[in-house]
Amino acid sequence: QLQLQESGPGLAKPSDTLSLICTVSRGSISSDSNYWAWIRQPPGRGLEWIASLSHSGSSYYNASLNFRVTTSIDTSKKHFSLKLNSLTAADTAVYYCARGLQGGITRAFDIWGRGIMVTVSS
Amino acid sequence: QSVLTQPPSVSGAPGQGVTISCTGSSSNIGAGHDVHWYQQLPGAAPKLLIYASTNRPSGVPDRFSGSRSGTSASLAITGLQAEDEADYYCHSFDTSLSVVFGGGTKLIVV
Repeated sequence: QLQLQESGPGLAKPSDTLSLICTVSRGSISSDSNYWAWIRQPPGRGLEWIASLSHSGSSYYNASLNFRVTTSIDTSKKHFSLKLNSLTAADTAVYYCARGLQGGITRAFDIWGRGIMVTVSS
Repeated sequence: QSVLTQPPSVSGAPGQGVTISCTGSSSNIGAGHDVHWYQQLPGAAPKLLIYASTNRPSGVPDRFSGSRSGTSASLAITGLQAEDEADYYCHSFDTSLSVVFGGGTKLIVV
């Protein structure tokens, strides 16, 4: 079954840019009808959707993040990435990548990575 | 403040049943967008439990079922087991072009 693995720094400084990568294994990243997503969870709190992107270039972002997010997908490397700039302590969270079921952005996330804990602190 | 509203906690005894509600609005659940449910065990990533309101992925016991009506959806769990103790989240899509989650419900098996 397809697997996802997040990678990146566990610690970042305020005002810096966080860069995370989600690597896809045991499956394809190039399906036209799957969306790939970033979702985060602050300690002790609920899930917050960050962004979704497709292989074909469509992308959607959480407006509450005030345009601090950029995403990209590299099919040759079988990974997609997240950049979040102007970090503050409020961005401290476990960051998950996930795959959406085929059929568009409204679909459920059926496969999740294990998550990576990112702490924003000076 | 989540766009989808869930009770913070529900509880039930082993063998009993519980229902977790997810209340949205005319711009998400009420607009006909799919509702999905996830189970998150302590320290683990969320796991898909119900998709498109009523469908169970392979491997999910039929003790878990979903329904929807109007601007709300519900997750029902029957025959509670100790291992069902977890956080449960609903998920839908909003016409503001945003994926939305409920705030989560902690299920306590007493």
